[in-house]
Amino acid sequence: GENVEQHPSTLSVQEGDSAVIKCTYSDSASNYFPWYKQELGKRPQLIIDIRSNVGEKKDQRIAVTLNKTAKHFSLHITETQPEDSAVYFCAASKGRGYGGSQGNLIFGKGTKLSVKP
Amino acid sequence: DAGVIQSPRHEVTEMGQEVTLRCKPISGHDYLFWYRQTMMRGLELLIYFNNNVPIDDSGMPEDRFSAKMPNASFSTLKIQPSEPRDSAVYFCASRLGGSEQFFGPGTRLTVL
Repeated sequence: GENVEQHPSTLSVQEGDSAVIKCTYSDSASNYFPWYKQELGKRPQLIIDIRSNVGEKKDQRIAVTLNKTAKHFSLHITETQPEDSAVYFCAASKGRGYGGSQGNLIFGKGTKLSVKP
Repeated sequence: DAGVIQSPRHEVTEMGQEVTLRCKPISGHDYLFWYRQTMMRGLELLIYFNNNVPIDDSGMPEDRFSAKMPNASFSTLKIQPSEPRDSAVYFCASRLGGSEQFFGPGTRLTVL
């Protein structure tokens, strides 16, 4: 089955710096890669996602890149702010929209990001 | 829409007791997922349903855990008997087809 590895497990940056979180996946059939942000004591919430037919996607200060050949994808946060402090999870799945046993997300272990003012 | 609803939000019980967690997915969503989150193991998928039918329960830790989805708007996760190692936050999530997956607020379970 699919396995998602996420690095680093913790990341500390100064406000205004950039943060990069990397994930690798094992199943070349995976074609959907979301990123979730989980603030302390709250639920995970989707912040950005990418499908395998594109290599990069941006949304304001957040971007995700995908390298299908190497089977890795990364989250980039620029101009970090204290409110970006949270745990970030990457995930992978295949067969999105087709149901069946291929429809579930496999999550990485998470990265705890701390942004120091 | 109120989003995914879970109850109770907090549950404290004693070892050996039965625990029932409840989830109401977003109306119209056809997938429902149960996850368990701990510091040690991260976010683990326990079981998921499609159109009320269990599709994959390979993540259910053992026979003490069971889940049901009697209709499109309700699901339960039951632990009987509960053990201290079951202490965790349990999340329910739902989605429609291949769209965004939404998580509920979670149930924090403490087994003494």
